[in-house]
Amino acid sequence: GAGVSQSPSNKVTEKGKDVELRCDPISGHTALYWYRQSLGQGLEFLIYFQGNSAPDKSGLPSDRFSAERTGGSVSTLTIQRTQQEDSAVYLCASRDMSGSSYNEQFFGPGTRLTVL
Amino acid sequence: AQSVTQLDSHVSVSEGTPVLLRCNYSSSYSPSLFWYVQHPNKGLQLLLKYTSAATLVKGINGFEAEFKKSETSFHLTKPSAHMSDAAEYFCVVSTPGTYKYIFGTGTRLKVLA
Repeated sequence: GAGVSQSPSNKVTEKGKDVELRCDPISGHTALYWYRQSLGQGLEFLIYFQGNSAPDKSGLPSDRFSAERTGGSVSTLTIQRTQQEDSAVYLCASRDMSGSSYNEQFFGPGTRLTVL
Repeated sequence: AQSVTQLDSHVSVSEGTPVLLRCNYSSSYSPSLFWYVQHPNKGLQLLLKYTSAATLVKGINGFEAEFKKSETSFHLTKPSAHMSDAAEYFCVVSTPGTYKYIFGTGTRLKVLA
């Protein structure tokens, strides 16, 4: 079946511009996560969705970062007034909260964001 | 509180020799443990997971890991490295029934011809 998809795969933007990153989770997965991976670093948790609500957004680095999820499916991560330090790979993961794989995260291929 | 430590940031092995990637964890509860692999410019792929069943877990591509509660370890092994194993490997801990996952900082595996 279809896995987690993310778009765009690459995004180059100028400092100060806004960007939107999209994640399409596996159908039926109610949990969705966003992570950031800076060059040579591990994964930094950004936000967790259960359905359309975000009970944990503690990892968002600043108020320039926001995310939403609609219809319990697609999620969009928005970065306003991008800065060079926002350059990273943004990974999305979804999770089925029931069934035999309930505690496993499935990752998308990521969006590589470069801020010039 | 939970934490995970990957003891080596880089490991180099020759093709055909064994692989050992070390991971230690800390958890107040009986944890779920995972190993993920990330090839260059790719997302993370699950290699294997421990969820309180058998302590020796077999995964894809010949990898396995053993959960040792007394040592709080979950080391990843493979008997014979292949060139295609060159990648970044992440050890992850989670508490069953919660949503949070704690990632290690990763181990970059290099396989020499």
